[in-house]
Amino acid sequence: EAGVAQSPRYKIIEKRQSVAFWCNPISGHATLYWYQQILGQGPKLLIQFQNNGVVDDSQLPKDRFSAERLKGVDSTLKIQPAKLEDSAVYLCASSLTSGRNEQYFGPGTRLTVT
Amino acid sequence: QQPVQSPQAVILREGEDAVINCSSSKALYSVHWYRQKHGEAPVFLMILLKGGEQKGHDKISASFNEKKQQSSLYLTASQLSYSGTYFCGTEQGGKLIFGQGTELSVKP
Repeated sequence: EAGVAQSPRYKIIEKRQSVAFWCNPISGHATLYWYQQILGQGPKLLIQFQNNGVVDDSQLPKDRFSAERLKGVDSTLKIQPAKLEDSAVYLCASSLTSGRNEQYFGPGTRLTVT
Repeated sequence: QQPVQSPQAVILREGEDAVINCSSSKALYSVHWYRQKHGEAPVFLMILLKGGEQKGHDKISASFNEKKQQSSLYLTASQLSYSGTYFCGTEQGGKLIFGQGTELSVKP
């Protein structure tokens, strides 16, 4: 079974530029998550989708971050414009359904904003 | 509210045991444990649900005390492969809130 795929793996941009990350979850997984993990900290949920609807985006900085999950499969997360404090690893995860289910994480995208 | 993990870091010799604690100021419905090796994605270890159930995964087990609002992860006879950062995640409002992590190093 293929795991969660993410691209790119690494990205370096200057502040005020924009960037987009892509995630392809495990086939059949209805729930998709985007997490931000700053060095030395635990993952912080940015947004959670159930199929193509948003379940929780309370911690998404909506003035600069946006995410979509068209057709309930792939998802993209965009940052525009980026700030220095956005430097982090962005992890995508998926699970069969929401709730008390095991989450499978992708390898992440390491973003450096200079 | 982010759960609090202790200790922050621990160094073991192969074969030694360790306990990692996770406590929350909010009522717990479930606790998830993950391990993350350096530069890799977090990997699921186990979920514990309300009821004080103890679960096991190889030589790693965990308990959940909903009254005390805490969970503990037990690593028995540690192996080099156990090295990594361990995160607990507590379910709050349908989403997982992760602790700050406990870095475990197992030396030969």
